[in-house]
Amino acid sequence: DQQVKQNSPSLSVQEGRISILNCDYTNSMFDYFLWYKKYPAEGPTFLISISSIKDKNEDGRFTVFLNKSAKHLSLHIVPSQPGDSAVYFCAASAYGYALNFGKGTSLLVTP
Amino acid sequence: DAEITQSPRHKITETGRQVTLACHQTWNHNNMFWYRQDLGHGLRLIHYSYGVQDTNKGEVSDGYSVSRSNTEDLPLTLESAASSQTSVYFCASSESRGSNTEAFFGQGTRLTVV
Repeated sequence: DQQVKQNSPSLSVQEGRISILNCDYTNSMFDYFLWYKKYPAEGPTFLISISSIKDKNEDGRFTVFLNKSAKHLSLHIVPSQPGDSAVYFCAASAYGYALNFGKGTSLLVTP
Repeated sequence: DAEITQSPRHKITETGRQVTLACHQTWNHNNMFWYRQDLGHGLRLIHYSYGVQDTNKGEVSDGYSVSRSNTEDLPLTLESAASSQTSVYFCASSESRGSNTEAFFGQGTRLTVV
């Protein structure tokens, strides 16, 4: 059973608008959450993370929000740019153990 | 600069053959992982290691094996390749168990079993 779920396989957003990618998890032991970005024919690259002791982490245009009671996190990209078009994976781990990944959301930012 | 490299980048093999995919990292990380990426499944964990001589099975370990004889390398072996193992394979490394840090990924190996 999948412990990290990304229920939206794809998302299309206009350039300059906000992109919101969502992720749900089931394992309450998870204490570290990450977002990875993946371009075709490349490996995933780390984007941003958040510890379970926080509810928000911001890095430039990227902000991750964590709602522990709902077991939900989201990635906000503001403003969205065409270069942000990629597959975004949500991941979670407990105590530094192996990362559990969602199935990914393909983001398309149109001019 | 530290890095993680996979080889080969592309491989075509026949059903039933043994295949080994290499992964080498210069981060001096204790943790190393193998994932496979398939359409509709995302990244699924095959095997992982938290240190030399330590190996563990992930959620899709059947038909695969790993060994960890040093810190830098975690080769993935397909004992008898099957068409269901056609996939893109990613190796990753991270600092250590108990340390919440990101994992770094290699560029991937595209394996086709014919």
